[in-house]
Amino acid sequence: EIVLTQTPLSSPVTLGQAASISCRSSQSLVYSDGKTYLSWLQQRPGQPPRLLIYEISNRLSGVPDRFSGSGAGTEFTLTISRVEAEDVGVYYCMQATQFPRTFGPGTKVEIK
Amino acid sequence: ELVESGGRSVQPGGSLRLSCVASGFTFASHNLNWVRQAPGKGLEWISYISTTSYTIHYSESVKGRFTISRDNAKNSLYLQMSSLRAEDTAVYFCARDRPSFTTFGVVLDLWGQGTLVAVSS
Repeated sequence: EIVLTQTPLSSPVTLGQAASISCRSSQSLVYSDGKTYLSWLQQRPGQPPRLLIYEISNRLSGVPDRFSGSGAGTEFTLTISRVEAEDVGVYYCMQATQFPRTFGPGTKVEIK
Repeated sequence: ELVESGGRSVQPGGSLRLSCVASGFTFASHNLNWVRQAPGKGLEWISYISTTSYTIHYSESVKGRFTISRDNAKNSLYLQMSSLRAEDTAVYFCARDRPSFTTFGVVLDLWGQGTLVAVSS
């Protein structure tokens, strides 16, 4: 099973400032088709999760462009360029390269 | 839209069947998943089923106890749960994968609101 580790687990940020979350995988997430199935999801309080980014850096339609993803192989980053109040919640990385699909432990983003 | 139902309180060792009904898209074209979240905890993927039900996967935590199935004619996904344990207490979400030109498509691109299963004596 692929284990995903996220840092930090908690991220107090000032409105308008940037926030970055790292996700490290226990093995390469590159699939045999050459794609890397690493996604980022947001879960606001009391809400179901919502997909933000798939295949490392592709934003889902409707996701603000202040969210961006980067990385390769086993190291990935989600960056929120200018945090807004509506960004408060827990962010999860998730891999679908190998079954079982696994999630990181989550990073709680809150406003200072 | 995805709407789950069937969650309730059940005793340890009991059984339960969850349903997820889809609307607004071509259900039969999408691979589907069940993901759960224990109270105050993170997300745990538990099962996957392909469009034709040919390919099915489970997490080790539910393998042999839970069965995923689908009825494309009814736009419905199911999770038959048996031998339930206290640690199965969670909100259960159904989530779809959106087909694309890649092998797995856009994974978990749409989620339901979830249904709560509470296992307790």
